[in-house]
Amino acid sequence: DADVTQTPRNRITKTGKRIMLECSQTKGHDRMYWYRQDPGLGLQLIYYSFDVKDINKGEISDGYSVSRQAQAKFSLSLESAIPNQTALYFCATSDRAGGSINEQFFGPGTRLTVL
Amino acid sequence: DQQVKQNSPSLSVQEGRISILNCDYTNSMFDYFLWYKKYPAEGPTFLISISSIKDKNEDGRFTVFLNKSAKHLSLHIVPSQPGDSAVYFCAASVGTSGTYKYIFGTGTRLKVLA
Repeated sequence: DADVTQTPRNRITKTGKRIMLECSQTKGHDRMYWYRQDPGLGLQLIYYSFDVKDINKGEISDGYSVSRQAQAKFSLSLESAIPNQTALYFCATSDRAGGSINEQFFGPGTRLTVL
Repeated sequence: DQQVKQNSPSLSVQEGRISILNCDYTNSMFDYFLWYKKYPAEGPTFLISISSIKDKNEDGRFTVFLNKSAKHLSLHIVPSQPGDSAVYFCAASVGTSGTYKYIFGTGTRLKVLA
C-alpha cells in the first residue's frame, strides 16, 4: 500500500466550483505539504503544515485554503476554481527536522482541470 | 524571482555514457540540496542529497557536486541507463529555526538512449 495517497487522481471541474483535494499518509510524519506543478515551472509550494495546529502559507497560496484534520490528513481546497489553477497537485510529507536532511515523500499527484 | 534554476529543460545521453544535470541557485542561505527524480504519472522520489558543509556526495551511480562559491550543483549519473530516463528536479532547503521547506527548480528531462 502507498504511504502517501491522494484523492481524486484526476478531476475536471468548472470555473467557480468549489473543489477539495485530499491527502492521507501512513508514514507517521508530522509535516505535510501541498505543491502544484505547471509545465516549465517546477514544483511550487502552496501551503505547509508542521503539525496539526501549525499551518503556513507557501509561495502561491492565493486562491487556496487548507485543513489539517489530523496528523495523517491534509486537504487542499479551491473555494472558487479558475482556469489558471489547472495543474498537477502533489501532496508530500516529511519527518520532523533533526538537524539532518529531511527527505520529502510525495503522493502520486492529482491532475486538476478547470474549464 | 527563481531562486533555484535548471537552465537545461532537456538532455539526451547515450546508454553507458555520463549524464550531467546542472542546477544554479541565488540564495547563499540554502544549506541542504536534494535531487528528486520523477517518472510520468508518479510523484517525485528522493534520489540523493548534499549538505552545504560538503562538496561531494556519492551513492552508487549517482554523485552530486556542490560548488558554493559559484552557487552551483550538479548531478552525475555514470553509467547512464535507459531506466534513468525521467525528469530530475533539484531542490534547496531553507532551514531557519528548524522550519525546513524546499525550493524546487524547474526540472530537466533526461532521456537515455539505448
